[in-house]
Amino acid sequence: QPVVTQEPSFSVSPGGTVTLTCGLSSGSVSTSYYPSWYQQTPGQAPRTLIYSTNTPSSGVPDRFSGSILGDKAALTITGAQADDESDYYCVLYMGNGIWVFGGGTKLTVL
Amino acid sequence: QVQLVESGGGLVEPGGSLRLSCAASGFTFSDYYLNWIRQAPGKGLEWVSYISSSGRGVRYADSVKGRFTISRDSANNSLSLQMNSLRAEDTAVYFCARGKDAVYVFDMWGQGTMVTVSS
Repeated sequence: QPVVTQEPSFSVSPGGTVTLTCGLSSGSVSTSYYPSWYQQTPGQAPRTLIYSTNTPSSGVPDRFSGSILGDKAALTITGAQADDESDYYCVLYMGNGIWVFGGGTKLTVL
Repeated sequence: QVQLVESGGGLVEPGGSLRLSCAASGFTFSDYYLNWIRQAPGKGLEWVSYISSSGRGVRYADSVKGRFTISRDSANNSLSLQMNSLRAEDTAVYFCARGKDAVYVFDMWGQGTMVTVSS
């Protein structure tokens, strides 16, 4: 099974902009993988942020956006807030009913 | 209320079996595919299994293939995961999550149920 890569940790200042990425150990991530992004705080179920590369889920603030940057999927948070401090996971659809999650990025806002 | 509610978790010895359930409500069950996704303590999310909206298509992660069986009951709007030959590394919170065909997203999640495999 392919390996989906994410930065283990990232830090951003309040009000700042941060871009988290989601890559493949071998190959490029394209829209054909329907990358989606999830936010999770400790003890809670994940919350869906972005799907199909750049479509925001219902109720998600517009400071969260998705894209393809080079050979990776990307989640950009513009104007980071304290409550954005969470774990962020991307997942890629491999086709035929199979998904692979990245290892997650722990985002610190300080 | 639109929701997914998991149940059936608990403590089981290595080699034992457990059956998880996920009750769906507030939406048209047959319009959605369903998945099980797990998270070991302090670790990331791992996709475990998928079942199509019709129930005719199923898929498994290599880590559980041959040991776990996913199924759905349209009459009762429920999803199940039969877990056999359990190992310590199956210890995790198990989430059920739904999605719609051609969108390929987990757009709603349950709150999870904890499975602990230990002697």
